[in-house]
Amino acid sequence: SDVLTQSPSVSVAPGQTARITCGGNYIGGKSVHWYQQRPGQAPVLVVYDDGHRPSGIPERISGSNSGNTATLTISRVEAGDEADYYCQVWDSASDQRVFGGGTKLTVL
Amino acid sequence: QITLKESGPTLVKPTQTLTLTCTFSGFSLNTFGVGVGWIRQPPGKALEWLALVYWDDDKRYSPSLKSSLTITRDTSKNQVFLTMTNMDPVDTATYYCARLTTVTTRNAFDVWGQGTMVTVSS
Repeated sequence: SDVLTQSPSVSVAPGQTARITCGGNYIGGKSVHWYQQRPGQAPVLVVYDDGHRPSGIPERISGSNSGNTATLTISRVEAGDEADYYCQVWDSASDQRVFGGGTKLTVL
Repeated sequence: QITLKESGPTLVKPTQTLTLTCTFSGFSLNTFGVGVGWIRQPPGKALEWLALVYWDDDKRYSPSLKSSLTITRDTSKNQVFLTMTNMDPVDTATYYCARLTTVTTRNAFDVWGQGTMVTVSS
């Protein structure tokens, strides 16, 4: 099954851009979703199918996916963006789902 | 408004069987393209997908846990159940249920329950 690799942590100053990556073999050929999990809360879907945002998610959150890396980009970072972010892949061939190890975003 | 809520025991003993219930509202599990899944998260660790049941009662399981998991549903009560046998302390985690939509979000878990913490200890 898929193995998804995320950096454990990313730090960024307010107003700057945070990029959180998710690595996996040929991940560019799969559908990638991203979830935000604030401390003590349940995960929230922030990007689905590589780069689509659910309603209510701000435009400064975006996603891309190509080759062996998917990327979640958060522009104009705010204190409220501080959270753990998880990528998740749906493998259509096996109909299995896998989560990455998560990345803790710290706003300095 | 779509909501999901998990319920079940907070403490189980090693080797016991755990049964969790997910009670949902605001959508139907009879609707084409809809599913309900279970995901768990040990304290301080990452999310792990466990199982999923689709609108047509088709089911999928994590390969690593397939032998110990059973997912079932009662569409008349808007409930989904997860049974996990032979519980071990490493199964201590917060267990979440979540709705999945195959069409609108291409298999993302778009709404989550609040989670329920299960501790495995003698």
